[in-house]
Amino acid sequence: AQTVTQSQPEMSVQEAETVTLSCTYDTSESDYYLFWYKQPPSRQMILVIRQEAYKQQNATENRFSVNFQKAAKSFSLKISDSQLGDAAMYFCAYRSSNYYSAGGTSYGKLTFGQGTILTVHP
Amino acid sequence: DTEVTQTPKHLVMGMTNKKSLKCEQHMGHRAMYWYKQKAKKPPELMFVYSYEKLSINESVPSRFSPECPNSSLLNLHLHALQPEDSALYLCASSPISGGRKSNQPQHFGDGTRLSIL
Repeated sequence: AQTVTQSQPEMSVQEAETVTLSCTYDTSESDYYLFWYKQPPSRQMILVIRQEAYKQQNATENRFSVNFQKAAKSFSLKISDSQLGDAAMYFCAYRSSNYYSAGGTSYGKLTFGQGTILTVHP
Repeated sequence: DTEVTQTPKHLVMGMTNKKSLKCEQHMGHRAMYWYKQKAKKPPELMFVYSYEKLSINESVPSRFSPECPNSSLLNLHLHALQPEDSALYLCASSPISGGRKSNQPQHFGDGTRLSIL
């Protein structure tokens, strides 16, 4: 079974500064997807960024970028030019590449880390 | 605006009540999910529906009864709940595909905040 670990329960950053949230995972699969979701107090889970394991290039979405180290099974999220609206709980998540993975029991399941609460100070 | 709509947004019910949570999406996704989320914790998967059939039941107590009447709608029927069932219930949907075309993420609704008295 896959596991996802976020070792930072809480992080804080000054507005306009850069912060990095860490995520490590464990899997025996070679092809999979990794996601960062953001959940503000408004509670909707919002996709921030995704990474395909077969792609060596790190994904970027505006101020958000990842450092994907497949051999190390590490998937950190960097937020540049932090804004007050970035304050939220951030979840790292893993998903097998096949909806019906080996054994037929994946069904698109997401495995979440425990989350990191990000506070942005003005 | 969220593409997955959940109603109601808040629900308070007694332990003997029967109520239902509703989730609707019109993105053509054929996989739908129910999650339970406690405060400051990650979502916990409860059920997965694929092509309107129950694919995964993560050992959820029978007082939670899911239903998928069509490809756009997912219900969660509640009966005789316990105080520990108070939580945020999230619905999500995603396409069903395999291999390197399956990079589409799950889309989440805003959730229903459930309180059991």
